[in-house]
Amino acid sequence: GESVGLHLPTLSVQEGDNSIINCAYSNSASDYFIWYKQESGKGPQFIIDIRSNMDKRQGQRVTVLLNKTVKHLSLQIAATQPGDSAVYFCAETPKTSYDKVIFGPGTSLSVIP
Amino acid sequence: DTGVSQDPRHKITKRGQNVTFRCDPISEHNRLYWYRQTLGQGPEFLTYFQNEAQLEKSRLLSDRFSAERPKGSFSTLEIQRTEQGDSAMYLCASSLWAGDVSYNEQFFGPGTRLTVL
Repeated sequence: GESVGLHLPTLSVQEGDNSIINCAYSNSASDYFIWYKQESGKGPQFIIDIRSNMDKRQGQRVTVLLNKTVKHLSLQIAATQPGDSAVYFCAETPKTSYDKVIFGPGTSLSVIP
Repeated sequence: DTGVSQDPRHKITKRGQNVTFRCDPISEHNRLYWYRQTLGQGPEFLTYFQNEAQLEKSRLLSDRFSAERPKGSFSTLEIQRTEQGDSAMYLCASSLWAGDVSYNEQFFGPGTRLTVL
């Protein structure tokens, strides 16, 4: 039958717990790595970014970790709230074009009250 | 609301028809981007402008697609002779580029959902 779309990886967490969303990237020449949050019916919303010369960056309730050795990016959300329920995308920008944001596959986060 | 706005929010058309979407960026932003997002996927870059100049186009942007930003403010994306495969969410984003060589945060609009019957 015809596919109507890929099934997103999903993550369910209890309200108040910490969430960790993982992402693998392929381009070792990327310079910025970005996490976006997309709620239903809305465009992606910037959460946090990290440059390739860093391995950790913290924001308000969020931490991004970058492991260039294994090309892995993660987003940690502390004390997850119902409002955090959304699809989360990791993205990268090549050094040759910082404006061309390349999005990875999303992860659907569901917060259980 | 001073964010990025897009019009229309939804468009249903028949195969073979032409459609045009509009994007109004955040007023002081000089860069404007178009992306396409299909169900279950992340957005895919299509093209971007600095002021009225189109600086980069993706190979995804076939000859049936054309984007303009004539006065360096709002932008239009036109799809000619639509095909069912064009059904997607078309997202616009804008950013303020200050001349530095780095990533500048892109602010996204709510998108225009196109359905081609």
